[in-house]
Amino acid sequence: DTGVSQNPRHKITKRGQNVTFRCDPISEHNRLYWYRQTLGQGPEFLTYFQNEAQLEKSRLLSDRFSAERPKGSFSTLEIQRTEQGDSAMYLCASSLRRGITDTQYFGPGTRLTVL
Amino acid sequence: SQQGEEDPQALSIQEGENATMNCSYKTSINNLQWYRQNSGRGLVHLILIRSNEREKHSGRLRVTLDTSKKSSSLLITASRAADTASYFCAPPLSTQGGSEKLVFGKGTKLTVNP
Repeated sequence: DTGVSQNPRHKITKRGQNVTFRCDPISEHNRLYWYRQTLGQGPEFLTYFQNEAQLEKSRLLSDRFSAERPKGSFSTLEIQRTEQGDSAMYLCASSLRRGITDTQYFGPGTRLTVL
Repeated sequence: SQQGEEDPQALSIQEGENATMNCSYKTSINNLQWYRQNSGRGLVHLILIRSNEREKHSGRLRVTLDTSKKSSSLLITASRAADTASYFCAPPLSTQGGSEKLVFGKGTKLTVNP
């Protein structure tokens, strides 16, 4: 257990439905990242928050995706009008930059299946 | 294109043997991290090596870094069945937004047979 929690752990939904995932980072960590991982691949970066500010979004993050981190604590990732191609593991990571290093600690992930 | 690429893609060994995994990356880095992922689960941070370090040890793990060749290796000594997992190297990519996003390859899938 890294101290980063994600809920739910599994989500099955029908195409076209909206889903929301939550990530609770390690409490003193000011940086929060979302990644997506499909079968047989490594995680791919989606978006980055420093405190409550979303400072970077990948091109993978289409208009149907939105992420928030109100008050710089927990974060939510919402997918609207889900498609079968959204089926993946969604991973959250948090970090506290020390000097030039930024060790990211990952949560257990939320596995999304879109039927 | 992926920043970190691991080699081999799959490795099968017997318990007690050593396992070596290699990683190549593309851009200049100030550190490189290795992670382990058990099937269908989250990533566990194993070790971070800074660009001014050539070798680092943690228990049965030994990591080397050659910045001139843009390569790193992870050695697991005296492997155990519990080491069965996928291993990823993760060179960070600094961005204008201030993130240090990790750019993963496909990983090396290690199987340790009892």
